[in-house]
Amino acid sequence: EAGVTQSPTHLIKTRGQQATLRCSPISGHTSVYWYQQALGLGLQFLLWYDEGEERNRGNFPPRFSGRQFPNYSSELNVNALELEDSALYLCASSLYLGARGTDTQYFGPGTRLTVL
Amino acid sequence: RKEVEQDPGPFNVPEGATVAFNCTYSNSASQSFFWYRQDCRKEPKLLMSVYSSGNEDGRFTAQLNRASQYISLLIRDSKLSDSATYLCVVNTNAGKSTFGDGTTLTVKP
Repeated sequence: EAGVTQSPTHLIKTRGQQATLRCSPISGHTSVYWYQQALGLGLQFLLWYDEGEERNRGNFPPRFSGRQFPNYSSELNVNALELEDSALYLCASSLYLGARGTDTQYFGPGTRLTVL
Repeated sequence: RKEVEQDPGPFNVPEGATVAFNCTYSNSASQSFFWYRQDCRKEPKLLMSVYSSGNEDGRFTAQLNRASQYISLLIRDSKLSDSATYLCVVNTNAGKSTFGDGTTLTVKP
């Protein structure tokens, strides 16, 4: 069974540009999470999508946005890139159990974004 | 105060040692708990879920104390390959998932 995939593996942009990161979840998973991990720091929650809707959002500015497509894949868009946006962006997928919350999250290999 | 707190370490232990990590959480509505392992510059990988009754997987034992709002991970007979950062994860039933900043373990020969 294929795991979570992310593309591109590496992305280099300059300040002020826009970046688009992509994620394909494990087959059957409806939830997709996005996290930012700056070098040497912990995972910071960005966004959670389930069934095409944004369910929750972390403490990030509006220039971080995304969407989930009918096939449950997802895009993360970062507008007006700043130097401090340089980080590893991780996508995870899981089943959503409704009132019982979310199941285990499985991570993709990440996209390493460098802003120059 | 962070919602999920871990001792960052680093923990430096010799091979064969027993080491324990703790993780505290502040949201009493938290429903599910996990330990993940993250190797340098790699994605986190699930190590084990944590159940109220405690659970064991080989050399690894996880426990949950809901009253005191902490979870623990015990690693027995440490191997060099156990060197990694261990992340505690706490989920609420609203789908919110919060990761601790991780505890770094280095096992030395």
